[in-house]
Order: sequence, then C-alpha cells, then structure tokens
Amino acid sequence: DADVTQTPRNRITKTGKRIMLECSQTKGHDRMYWYRQDPGLGLRLIYYSFDVKDINKGEISDGYSVSRQAQAKFSLSLESAIPNQTALYFCATSGFSTGNGNIQYFGAGTRLSVL
Amino acid sequence: RKEVEQDPGPFNVPEGATVAFNCTYSNSASQSFFWYRQDCRKEPKLLMSVYSSGNEDGRFTAQLNRASQYISLLIRDSKLSDSATYLCVVNMESSYKLIFGSGTRLLVRP
Repeated sequence: DADVTQTPRNRITKTGKRIMLECSQTKGHDRMYWYRQDPGLGLRLIYYSFDVKDINKGEISDGYSVSRQAQAKFSLSLESAIPNQTALYFCATSGFSTGNGNIQYFGAGTRLSVL
Repeated sequence: RKEVEQDPGPFNVPEGATVAFNCTYSNSASQSFFWYRQDCRKEPKLLMSVYSSGNEDGRFTAQLNRASQYISLLIRDSKLSDSATYLCVVNMESSYKLIFGSGTRLLVRP
C-alpha cells in the first residue's frame, strides 16, 4: 500500500463546482503539502501544514482552501472551480520529527480537468 | 529570473552514454539540495540528496558548486529505464519550502 494516498486519481468537473481532493498518509509525518503541476512550470506550492492546528498559504493559494482533519489527513478544496485550475495536483509529506524534514514524499497525484 | 533554472531538454542519448545535467539557483542562502526523478504522469521521487563534498550512488553522481550556485547530476552507462524528467530541488535552512526546477527531460534510446 502507498504511504501517501490521494483520492480521486482523476476528476472531471464543470466550471463553478466545488470539489475536494483528499490525501492521507501512513508515514507518521507531521508536515503535509499541496502542490499543483502545470507543463513547463514545475511544482508550485498551494498550501502547507506543519500540524493539525497550523495551516499556511503557499505561493498560489487563491481559489483554494484546505483542511487538516487529523495528522494523517489533509484535504484540498476548490471552492468554485475554473478552467485554469486544470492541472495535476500532488500531496506531499515530510517528517521533521522523524528525520530529514527537507525530504518530501509524494502521493500519486490527482489529474483534474475543469470544463 | 526563476529561483531554480534547468535546461528543459530533451536530452536524447543512446544506451550506455554518459549524460550530465546542470541546475542553477539564485538564492545564496540555499542550504539543502536534491535531485528528484519524475516519470511521465507520475509523482516525483527522491533520487538523491546533494552534499557539499559531492556524492555518488551507483551510476549517479551529484555535485554542488556553492560559489557558482549550481548543482549537477551525472548519469553514467545510461539505461532505457533512466528515461524520465529530472527535477532539481533547493531548500533554505530552517525553511519548509522546497523550490522545484521545471525539470530536464531525458530520453535514452536503444
């Protein structure tokens, strides 16, 4: 089983819909992250969380929100999806308390298309 | 200027070739450096960390030049399975944030 699990793996939605992407991890890590990846732009950080009570905006948080329901769960919501949010979304974790906190481990990704 | 810059490639090489990628970073306060590998439509995976003294892992060698602010990755005896995109990643000490380059694509042909 994967250590970092994202659901769904693929999603097609319509403009204006609210959708949620979910991430869970069994690595025991305290830090979790959401990124999006667009062709030619690399990974860009949307939100990150150091623990359940600590949520922070990344470089491109507009139009997104997150919830850290438990140490192992971190969900990303698109409040009102728009076509330019079509991208590949990755969840990642790192374990500051369990070793090298700078190494991040990624889920398999969610491919989102907004029509 | 991007914080981390890479030649996007693609680098198209025959099996058995040696290939090198460079990456430059703009922030001299950067402290940790990594190479990640990403296969098409899959998640990035850590290939290796990059240490000041340079480090080797099998056919892969990573070097760091702090004075010139660049990192390199050398792959010897290329295999078909090495075909992927290689991401240069930089981190500042005590910072949560990893800065990803947009990647260099490698194609190894038979």
